[in-house]
Amino acid sequence: QSALTQPASVSGSPGQSITISCTGTSSDVGAYDSVSWYQQHPGKAPKLMIYDVTNRPSGVSNRFSGSKSDNTASLTISGLQAEDEADYYCTSYTTTSTRVFGGGTKVTVL
Amino acid sequence: QLQLQESGPGLVKTSETLSLTCTVSGGSISSSSYYWGWIRQPPGKGLEWIGSIYYSGGTYCNPSLKSRVTISVDTSKNQFSLKLSSVIAADTAVYYCAGEIAAPEIHYYYGVDVWGQGTTVTVSS
Repeated sequence: QSALTQPASVSGSPGQSITISCTGTSSDVGAYDSVSWYQQHPGKAPKLMIYDVTNRPSGVSNRFSGSKSDNTASLTISGLQAEDEADYYCTSYTTTSTRVFGGGTKVTVL
Repeated sequence: QLQLQESGPGLVKTSETLSLTCTVSGGSISSSSYYWGWIRQPPGKGLEWIGSIYYSGGTYCNPSLKSRVTISVDTSKNQFSLKLSSVIAADTAVYYCAGEIAAPEIHYYYGVDVWGQGTTVTVSS
């Protein structure tokens, strides 16, 4: 299985909105609504930010939202804040019951 | 609150077998909600899913690692383990154990609900 495709980096100014894409295939992203997103700060374990394409776990800011169209999922961060500067990874369930991660996107707050 | 803790050698010689154990506390490894898995992250690189196991023994593995990976569970100790054979330098990474919420029988996957803190394993001759 190949890693999902994410942009290497995305940047934005405080208060702006940014969107990170995650492109897969009909065997993973396009197959089920089982796409999740993780935030990872340097030296820390990842944190689940979005599950089931659009849902936020308890405690995650509503500035984070997710969507999906065909084989591409997206994570949008609205009202960008300094604390949002981190690496973001998408992951998808696959038709063979495995999981596949995206390559990761570094978000920089200008 | 569920917590995970990895343990094992920080240095493994090339061609040998990497062995890690994850201890589950604050809950039972026999929980019907969880798959217990391993995820790794080479220095400066992204996350890679290695594989997962259900408490009753059903396992799923990354096809690219499947021939070298063994994941097992010990319900009596509330632990699960990873063995990666014939290691090379490219297997150097931070290894995380993880609790995933999934239901393969209905093709459902929530994601990783709980992470260990990660343990660094270096492969060197």
